[in-house]
Formats: sequence, structure tokens, C-alpha cells
Amino acid sequence: ETGVTQSPTHLIKTRGQQVTLRCSSQSGHNTVSWYQQALGQGPQFIFQYYREEENGRGNFPPRFSGLQFPNYSSELNVNALELDDSALYLCASSFEGNYGYTFGSGTRLTVV
Amino acid sequence: SQQGEEDPQALSIQEGENATMNCSYKTSINNLQWYRQNSGRGLVHLILIRSNEREKHSGRLRVTLDTSKKSSSLLITASRAADTASYFCATDAYGNTGKLIFGQGTTLQVKP
Repeated sequence: ETGVTQSPTHLIKTRGQQVTLRCSSQSGHNTVSWYQQALGQGPQFIFQYYREEENGRGNFPPRFSGLQFPNYSSELNVNALELDDSALYLCASSFEGNYGYTFGSGTRLTVV
Repeated sequence: SQQGEEDPQALSIQEGENATMNCSYKTSINNLQWYRQNSGRGLVHLILIRSNEREKHSGRLRVTLDTSKKSSSLLITASRAADTASYFCATDAYGNTGKLIFGQGTTLQVKP
């Protein structure tokens, strides 16, 4: 049974650019959530996808968008990057959200 | 926004001692979860306690939940150097939306 894998592990982008982060869910998991973790803070919920539909969203602007594919893998897209978007982005998958979440190792995004 | 507050923010103990971390939250919950994070990487799910449970054990971990006080504690017994990490509590208000609300975490250092 594989865990949650995220790519890339590190990324440097320039302010104003767009970025796509990828996540492969754990086998058998149909729910994926994305979190942003700034340095020294706890993770903050961005949104969740359940069976390819957005199923909840946190307090993030529309330039943060996502997709979930039929194989339950997922993408997080961020447009018009700002310096404050620099953070660790975490993907988490679960089955129906009732048994805790399996997190990936994250993508460290630096916006310069 | 962060729902939980964790106390203490930092804890330093000797190997073999017990470590206790506390978490308070603000709204009604479906369940509360504890996670460990090593060196700013991915989160590892430790234990989930449902709102109708008061105590749960897993190996050297003991979690309590007091919904009347909106608080939880995590006890790690007989700590080891490998337990050095940041520990986060996360509340799940709905049980199936993936919207975990994290505290700011407790940084635990276990000295050999």
C-alpha cells in the first residue's frame, strides 16, 4: 500500500507566475484535501475534493484552485503568485474522511 | 484562522520522562486528531478521538478529550529522542469535509 506522494518537493517561482502542485492519494482513498503551512504555523485548510467535486473550501482567494482526477490524484493551482504564498503545501487523503488523514511530505514553495 | 491553542508552545524533557501537551478549541467538533511533524515535513497521524469518547490509548500515547471544557491532552510516556518533533492537534467539525483546523503546535525536544 503506497502512501501519499507529492511533487515537486521544492519549487522556486517569481511573483506573478502560476504554479501547479501534484498529489497522488493513498490507494483506496477517495478524498483529498490541501493545506498551506507557513513557517512556524499550523496548516491551514485550502479545500477538499471528494469524488472529483470540491467539497469544502477555506478562506483562500479564487486564485487558489484545484482538480481531482478519476484515479483520485489531485492538483493545486495557484495563479498570480504573491510573496506571502511562500509556504509548505500539504496534500492529505482519506477514505470518506472518517479515519484520519494520510499526509504527503509536502511541496516547499518559495516565491521571490 | 486557527481554532486550537496548544500549550506549551515548546517543551524540553529528558529521555524516559513523560511529555504532556494540551489543546483547546472553540467550536463543537465531530472528532479531534493529533499529528506529529518532523522538521517541517509531512504530518503523521497519531490518534483520532471522537466527540463521544473520553480517553484513547495507542502504544505510548494517551489522549483525553473533555468536550465540556473544549480541551484535549496528549501524553507521551517514556519518551525517546526519536519523539523529538512538533505535535499538532486538529479538530474536525463535520467528520467528512476534510476541513481540519489545526493549532499552532507544540515543539517537543527529547534530550538523550
